[in-house]
Amino acid sequence: SYDLTQPLSVSVALGQTARIPCGGNSIGRTSVYWYQHKPGQAPVLIIYRDNKRPSAIPERFSGSNSLNTATLTISGAQGGDEGDYYCQVWDGSAVVFGGGTKLIVL
Amino acid sequence: EVQMVDSGGGMVQPGGSLRLSCAASGFSFGNYAMTWVRQAPGKGLEWVASISYSGDSSYYAVSVKGRFTISRDNSKNTLFLQLNSLRAGDSATYYCASMGEQFLSPHYMEVWGKGTTVTVSS
Repeated sequence: SYDLTQPLSVSVALGQTARIPCGGNSIGRTSVYWYQHKPGQAPVLIIYRDNKRPSAIPERFSGSNSLNTATLTISGAQGGDEGDYYCQVWDGSAVVFGGGTKLIVL
Repeated sequence: EVQMVDSGGGMVQPGGSLRLSCAASGFSFGNYAMTWVRQAPGKGLEWVASISYSGDSSYYAVSVKGRFTISRDNSKNTLFLQLNSLRAGDSATYYCASMGEQFLSPHYMEVWGKGTTVTVSS
């Protein structure tokens, strides 16, 4: 099975840029998706096909994917961005999630 | 408005069964693959099962294969998950979600229900 590796937590100062990596073997060869999940709420798709944003997602959220690492970048982090972030791929017969990263805004 | 409402959760004893439902509205349900994802307390998101837009193909996580069955009724815009032989480790909030693009296999999940909670305990 395909494994995706994320750090348990990432901290960022208010207004600064946060980067959340997602590691996987040759992940650059497949599309990566990112979700934001806050306690008590449904997950929200924030990036699809590596770097595309659904219309309701602010431009502060962006994605990239190359070689063995995909990265979610949050520019100008706000307190409301705190939550868990998950990367995800489709391996042809299964949805695969990373373990999730807790974003802490200081 | 695109909406999905999950239901059917509850408390069940180990070895028991439940049937979860997800009622969709506001979009052409029959054109989109659908997926169930769960989150156990204190854990991350875990994929459970997916089904093609037509219902012809289904996919399962190893942890539930042979115990859970995903199905859909496109005439009623409803997704189902039959949970059998439940274990304590199946306790979680279960979310239904729709694929973001029509007529493709379930690559990702764009619209999510609010979730329904399953508790397996004696």
